[in-house]
Amino acid sequence: NAGVMQNPRHLVRRRGQEARLRCSPMKGHSHVYWYRQLPEEGLKFMVYLQKENIIDESGMPKERFSAEFPKEGPSILRIQQVVRGDSAAYFCASSLGTGGTEAFFGQGTRLTVV
Amino acid sequence: GDSVTQMEGPVTLSEEAFLTINCTYTATGYPSLFWYVQYPGEGLQLLLKATKADDKGSNKGFEATYRKETTSFHLEKGSVQVSDSAVYFCALGGNEKLTFGTGTRLTIIP
Repeated sequence: NAGVMQNPRHLVRRRGQEARLRCSPMKGHSHVYWYRQLPEEGLKFMVYLQKENIIDESGMPKERFSAEFPKEGPSILRIQQVVRGDSAAYFCASSLGTGGTEAFFGQGTRLTVV
Repeated sequence: GDSVTQMEGPVTLSEEAFLTINCTYTATGYPSLFWYVQYPGEGLQLLLKATKADDKGSNKGFEATYRKETTSFHLEKGSVQVSDSAVYFCALGGNEKLTFGTGTRLTIIP
């Protein structure tokens, strides 16, 4: 049973380009969370999704960032027109149920904007 | 809303020292509590958890007890090793998302 798979592991984008980060949850998990970790800082919640629904996006910047978790396929975190301040590690986690249930994390995607 | 306050780091200890990393929380209802560990260059791994008051979670020599009266979930280990060097996150699982503390970087020196 594969764990949470994130790809790519490392992503380099020039300012103004788009970044697409993918997350395949563990088999059977229908809850997906995205977190951002800036260098030497903690985890910041971004968005919580269930299949085809955004449940909580209170941590998402209002502009340029979007997330989806379609019925089929991985969850996608999209960052349009990236800026240097978007450089960070982005972690995806999945769980069977709501917040009281253990979440399993992927290895993260390290985004570098040059 | 839910929140987690975690002991600020970094923490540096000698091998075989006793470790405590403090964690307190604010939540409505009866959340589950977790400690996650992040080794360099990796994602987070669950270290231990407790789902109700007075539960003790334990793993790899680490322990934490869910104290409802003090709203705390402090992480302890009796004798740390160099391999325990990592960042430790306290987390609270309420009705929806997991809420994390800011993390405590632990360095163990031989």
